[in-house]
Amino acid sequence: DTAVSQTPKYLVTQMGNDKSIKCEQNLGHDTMYWYKQDSKKFLKIMFSYNNKELIINETVPNRFSPKSPDKAHLNLHINSLELGDSAVYFCASSQDKGLAGAQETQYFGPGTRLLVL
Amino acid sequence: GESVGLHLPTLSVQEGDNSIINCAYSNSASDYFIWYKQESGKGPQFIIDIRSNMDKRQGQRVTVLLNKTVKHLSLQIAATQPGDSAVYFCAETYAGGTSYGKLTFGQGTILTVHP
Repeated sequence: DTAVSQTPKYLVTQMGNDKSIKCEQNLGHDTMYWYKQDSKKFLKIMFSYNNKELIINETVPNRFSPKSPDKAHLNLHINSLELGDSAVYFCASSQDKGLAGAQETQYFGPGTRLLVL
Repeated sequence: GESVGLHLPTLSVQEGDNSIINCAYSNSASDYFIWYKQESGKGPQFIIDIRSNMDKRQGQRVTVLLNKTVKHLSLQIAATQPGDSAVYFCAETYAGGTSYGKLTFGQGTILTVHP
């Protein structure tokens, strides 16, 4: 069984379109994350949710909107896609949100490769 | 050898050699560090972690060393195998304020193991 899964694996779309990426974890974790990896392999956090509550929101255009219907799912909706949005998007989860003395390992999904034309 | 600049640092080794991958971190307040391995087409995979109250931690064939004085982290892989070929990332975080759980990733190093 896949611990953290994402759909779709590949997404090719036109500029200006709206698209969603879905993420599910079956680890029973409380916290989920979205990361963006650019063409130089640089990984940067975008958002994190703990028990459906937003706890990290980095400087991300408001065209990106995460939605967490329950603690096992964190979806990413992107409006008005731009060429610069092309990247690999990774979902991750951890048991907790990393309180003092209890930092928790994050487990990553396989990634969604988004190409905006 | 290593190369920097627009490209990721690279390390090429022969199978059976020991590999050392280095990482400089930026935040002196960071108190938890993780090494991840990312194979082509896959997500980052946890290898080993270390807390700031330690300077060395060993796993199976891997050792992480932490030097807080110079803010340096290294990953040693013993008897490197072709399956170890991947991009290796260090990541740091600290438990203060609202930053808990926020991992800051390093640049990544490409390890290539030749049979």
